[in-house]
Amino acid sequence: DGGITQSPKYLFRKEGQNVTLSCEQNLNHDAMYWYRQDPGQGLRLIYYSQIVNDFQKGDIAEGYSVSREKKESFPLTVTSAQKNPTAFYLCASSLLGSSGPSGRGEQFFGPGTRLTVL
Amino acid sequence: AQRVTQPEKLLSVFKGAPVELKCNYSYSGSPELFWYVQYSRQRLQLLLRHISRESIKGFTADLNKGETSFHLKKPFAQEEDSAMYYCALSRGGTSYGKLTFGQGTILTVHP
Repeated sequence: DGGITQSPKYLFRKEGQNVTLSCEQNLNHDAMYWYRQDPGQGLRLIYYSQIVNDFQKGDIAEGYSVSREKKESFPLTVTSAQKNPTAFYLCASSLLGSSGPSGRGEQFFGPGTRLTVL
Repeated sequence: AQRVTQPEKLLSVFKGAPVELKCNYSYSGSPELFWYVQYSRQRLQLLLRHISRESIKGFTADLNKGETSFHLKKPFAQEEDSAMYYCALSRGGTSYGKLTFGQGTILTVHP
C-alpha cells in the first residue's frame, strides 16, 4: 500500500514530555504539511515544507517543531511547550506543479495520529 | 488574511432530499476553492475543485465571486454521502499548495 503513512496510530504522552509523530510518503511529492484537527475547529495548519531542508510555520506553530531532511519524511515533534497537545494530527503531501494527475491544491492525507496527553 | 467559513457544524437530511453545504470565504485575490470529504474510518480526500467544474458523486459546487461563496450541492442525497465535509481555499502564488480549511460540516443522511 503506497501513499502517505503516519505512525503511530495512537500515542500517549505524559505532561512535560516531547513526542515525535512520523509521516512518510512515497508519492514523490515536493510539499508536505502537518495539520491539527479539533472538533468544531476544522483543520489548522501547523507547519509545511515545500522543499528538503526548508519549512515554514503555519497558523499554530507554537509548541511544535519539524524537520525535512529527506523528501519522503516530515516528522513533527510536539514539545512540552504546547499547552493543549491532545488532538488528532494529520499529515498531508502534494505536488507543487500544476501538471500531473494531482493538480494544484490536491493534498493527499495520511490516516492520522491521535495524541493524548495524560 | 484569508478565511473560510462553514456556518453549519451539523446538517441532517433524509435520503432523496436535496442537500446544500454552505461555504463562504474572504480573500482579496483570486482563490482556488476545494471541497474535501472524510467518510467514516477513511482518510480525508479531495471531492472536487472549482477549477475543474466537475460533478463528483452527484455533487457540484459553483464559485460565486460576488457572494464569495462555494456551496456544495446535491439534488438527491444518499445514505453513503454521510461524512464530514471541509471547504478549503488556496491562494496560489508563493503559497502555492497551502490550503486554508473551514471548520467542517458533518452531514448525516437518514434512510
